[in-house]
Amino acid sequence: GQNIDQPTEMTATEGAIVQINCTYQTSGFNGLFWYQQHAGEAPTFLSYNVLDGLEEKGRFSSFLSRSKGYSYLLLKELQMKDSASYLCAVRDSNYQLIWGAGTKLIIKP
Amino acid sequence: IAGITQAPTSQILAAGRRMTLRCTQDMRHNAMYWYRQDLGLGLRLIHYSNTAGTTGKGEVPDGYSVSRANTDDFPLTLASAVPSQTSVYFCASSGEGSTDTQYFGPGTRLTVL
Repeated sequence: GQNIDQPTEMTATEGAIVQINCTYQTSGFNGLFWYQQHAGEAPTFLSYNVLDGLEEKGRFSSFLSRSKGYSYLLLKELQMKDSASYLCAVRDSNYQLIWGAGTKLIIKP
Repeated sequence: IAGITQAPTSQILAAGRRMTLRCTQDMRHNAMYWYRQDLGLGLRLIHYSNTAGTTGKGEVPDGYSVSRANTDDFPLTLASAVPSQTSVYFCASSGEGSTDTQYFGPGTRLTVL
């Protein structure tokens, strides 16, 4: 079956760096997405990786290793507004997104 | 309208009743999707449409139906609601077929009693 694994919850301190990991086993691979979802709101797009390596976008970076079935989202200079759930999703061979359950990130002052 | 809208925002429904959740986008996206999100689970695809006039079944289609009469609208119907359909429902759309980034509507919180 298809599976996306990410930690359920993480805690970090304001101003620090946090890395959220995602491992996947899917039928085919056509890209990996990270979304941010604040409580009670819709998911919003953060990043997309289809080739191995690091994609940097401001304070957020995303890394992909296709051979290891692994990605991480790196958040730098954490702010209180970064408290949210972070969703990892993989596009499979049918070009449908398979979603992880999300990682709830708690930022403490 | 800017982006994707959904209606209603929330609804409490008696079991056995019929309900249609509405979704409209103004981005001229070809592909649209319906997901449900339940606590502790990832988003699960209910139905999708790659272009107007076509629809397909996702991971959890039972008890739901959709139609895609035009590019902008993609309603989701529960023919006879059951308590297990209590969930938050998100509509999404993407630009070029099913290969582009998906953008989400604000969601509908549905409670079936």
